[in-house]
Amino acid sequence: QKEVEQDPGPLSVPEGAIVSLNCTYSNSAFQYFMWYRQYSRKGPELLMYTYSSGNKEDGRFTAQVDKSSKYISLFIRDSQPSDSATYLCAMSFTGGGNKLTFGTGTQLKVEL
Amino acid sequence: DADVTQTPRNRITKTGKRIMLECSQTKGHDRMYWYRQDPGLGLQLIYYSFDVKDINKGEISDGYSVSRQAQAKFSLSLESAIPNQTALYFCATRGDTDTQYFGPGTRLTVL
Repeated sequence: QKEVEQDPGPLSVPEGAIVSLNCTYSNSAFQYFMWYRQYSRKGPELLMYTYSSGNKEDGRFTAQVDKSSKYISLFIRDSQPSDSATYLCAMSFTGGGNKLTFGTGTQLKVEL
Repeated sequence: DADVTQTPRNRITKTGKRIMLECSQTKGHDRMYWYRQDPGLGLQLIYYSFDVKDINKGEISDGYSVSRQAQAKFSLSLESAIPNQTALYFCATRGDTDTQYFGPGTRLTVL
């Protein structure tokens, strides 16, 4: 079993929809949680960063962390075609050698 | 200009050849990383470096070596390339927080 599980998709939604992307993990030591967005033929770029449990909002994006369930989510409101990309969750913990553990990524397509 | 650059962006090589992928950064970060990305497997860590004198193996270092020539430069070498090393390779840097900043990637094909 992988430390971080993520549904690969693809996920196809109409423009304007609310998108929910999720990851589950098995290592309870993870403290730092990130979401990266990767466009085709590009490197991943950081979208959201959260520490421990709770919510964080940035414009149309909301990241949620539920450490008790070992579950993290990314919500995208009013989705746009420009949101079409692969979304990777990543996580780490203090003392983990500064290493990130990534999910395999969910491919999202927002259609007009 | 991009903060993290990688050269070459694309490379096709033959089995048994030695190749080097290069990474440069202008972010002033001490920590640098090399990952490979394969479909369905996500990003896997090959090597990482905390500074010029501190280099560490990642999850999948066999068949790879690295060199940290300066704070800004971190190179990945395949001593004798094999077809299952065909993948997308990314360099990344890390500053004071836990976030990493990625280069644009090198698409490597080993025939």
